Amino acid sequence: DAMVIQNPRYQVTQFGKPVTLSCSQTLNHNVMYWYQQKSSQAPKLLFHYYDKDFNNEADTPDNFQSRRPNTSFCFLDIRSPGLGDAAMYLCATSRGTYQETQYFGPGTRLLVL
Amino acid sequence: SQQGEEDPQALSIQEGENATMNCSYKTSINNLQWYRQNSGRGLVHLILIRSNEREKHSGRLRVTLDTSKKSSSLLITASRAADTASYFCATDEGSGTSGSRLTFGEGTQLTVNP
Repeated sequence: DAMVIQNPRYQVTQFGKPVTLSCSQTLNHNVMYWYQQKSSQAPKLLFHYYDKDFNNEADTPDNFQSRRPNTSFCFLDIRSPGLGDAAMYLCATSRGTYQETQYFGPGTRLLVL
Repeated sequence: SQQGEEDPQALSIQEGENATMNCSYKTSINNLQWYRQNSGRGLVHLILIRSNEREKHSGRLRVTLDTSKKSSSLLITASRAADTASYFCATDEGSGTSGSRLTFGEGTQLTVNP
């Protein structure tokens, strides 16, 4: 019963080569989130969508963009990956109500060569 | 920054012992949540405690919240080898209908030895 699915689980890209990570959900949740987690660090929120409403964190680099074509899918685009963008990228969802938990996918580990 | 600070950074115990992890934060919160992350995997929600609650239980987990000290603790009783994971606290700065906006602490790496 996969609920939040991330593909691929591992992604290798070259320095400066655009890459897209994908996330899908079967929970019909209104909110979808993208986090970046570097090795042995806390997950850091990049942005989130409430339905079609995009909310960017103030310190998210312009290099990172997102698309949400429908309720089920959300994409993370990294326009020109640098070595410092190597990390685990976590997608999460929530219903969009007050004081709620988030449901996380297994993550995509990105390696930049 | 609202980011929580956790201690200890790492904890190693024997199976059957209790494990206690602590989290501190800086400003007012709606709620505080604890998540577990197995190595190289996504996060799994454990428990949510609201700002007007002081203690909450779920199975072998006990969470306390002291808003006057801006701190929380997670107690795992009768630990098992399968509890080996990283544990993160997260403060919720959500503003209602926009969903929860979580800021995570740095985490505690728990190792339970058989």
